[in-house]
Amino acid sequence: GAGVSQSPSNKVTEKGKDVELRCDPISGHTALYWYRQSLGQGLEFLIYFQGNSAPDKSGLPSDRFSAERTGGSVSTLTIQRTQQEDSAVYLCASSTPQGQGEYTQYFGPGTRLTVL
Amino acid sequence: GQQLNQSPQSMFIQEGEDVSMNCTSSSIFNTWLWYKQDPGEGPVLLIALYKAGELTSNGRLTAQFGITRKDSFLNISASIPSDVGIYFCAGRLNFGNEKLTFGTGTRLTIIP
Repeated sequence: GAGVSQSPSNKVTEKGKDVELRCDPISGHTALYWYRQSLGQGLEFLIYFQGNSAPDKSGLPSDRFSAERTGGSVSTLTIQRTQQEDSAVYLCASSTPQGQGEYTQYFGPGTRLTVL
Repeated sequence: GQQLNQSPQSMFIQEGEDVSMNCTSSSIFNTWLWYKQDPGEGPVLLIALYKAGELTSNGRLTAQFGITRKDSFLNISASIPSDVGIYFCAGRLNFGNEKLTFGTGTRLTIIP
């Protein structure tokens, strides 16, 4: 079946502009995660949704970052007044309970954000 | 945010060689995971470990969950060209639906 999809795949914006990144999780997956990956680094957790609510948003770096999820499906990550340090690949993952309660996170290909 | 210490940072090997990498943390995790990331793609899960001391294999890959719950290693035997990529360890505090804390990555290159 279809995996996690993200759009756009690449986004170039000017400093100070707002951007919206979209994630379509695997159909039926109840949990959705956003991570950020800076060049040459590992993934850094941003926020996690269970359904439409966000039990853990501890990784959002500032109040310029926000995310929402509607209908237990699509999620958007919004960055307001972008700064150059926001440049990174933003990855989305989704998961659902499998055998023995395992929650394997399946990742999308990411959105590469470049702030000029 | 926190990142796990992963070593080595990069490896240059010849096809057929075995590979070993490890990951350490200052805090305990109850689940350890190993992912591989190819260029332009998201990470793909290779092996999941759920019990301290557990040794698990997946084909040519073998991983162990350290008994202190603060470390894990991944071995790849008889490397092949498609093993090239970046390998990440990840830890999860609980057995469930929570965030992952990732390592800094090991870039594997195979020298022709």
